[in-house]
Amino acid sequence: GDSVTQMEGPVTLSEEAFLTINCTYTATGYPSLFWYVQYPGEGLQLLLKATKADDKGSNKGFEATYRKETTSFHLEKGSVQVSDSAVYFCALTLYNFNKFYFGSGTKLNVKP
Amino acid sequence: DSGVTQTPKHLITATGQRVTLRCSPRSGDLSVYWYQQSLDQGLQFLIQYYNGEERAKGNILERFSAQQFPDLHSELNLSSLELGDSALYFCASSSGRNTDTQYFGPGTRLTVL
Repeated sequence: GDSVTQMEGPVTLSEEAFLTINCTYTATGYPSLFWYVQYPGEGLQLLLKATKADDKGSNKGFEATYRKETTSFHLEKGSVQVSDSAVYFCALTLYNFNKFYFGSGTKLNVKP
Repeated sequence: DSGVTQTPKHLITATGQRVTLRCSPRSGDLSVYWYQQSLDQGLQFLIQYYNGEERAKGNILERFSAQQFPDLHSELNLSSLELGDSALYFCASSSGRNTDTQYFGPGTRLTVL
């Protein structure tokens, strides 16, 4: 079935470190891929998305490239800040967009 | 602020009871989605409504039901509550029937004692 697998957390980094959060997917069709971020006590916010192979989504210094050959959509940021501390969810949706599949979430802690 | 509102913010109740969670989508959005977020199950899609009609069903228990009203707000009804129903319940909205980007509300935290 369709699913998303992301690396388990928590991930703890120092400020200005490089971030990678791995995400791989299984899909029967051609999914759109998303990263959502959840700050403490809040709902999920769309961070970035990519709708077809080789597309790169980017926002707020974060980026992820849709890799069909490796069925991956890894999230990266060159220099994290304390304010990036949150839970990050990888997600996919299929052609008819009426179901979303979320990964289990990866908690990121950034220390000053 | 996503523009999606949910009430109440917190709800504490006892096993066997029934509760109603309310969601108002962003202005102009026709689709509403409900999700359950628990520590052991992660984020689970429950159900989607589009313009008043059920569009898709996920892992929703028979004890749970939802509806979307003519003014497009939605309610999720949870009955015969069990301890395991304690979770965060999120509502999300999107503009179309098949639109990809969803905007999430702040959630309702349900605690069943």
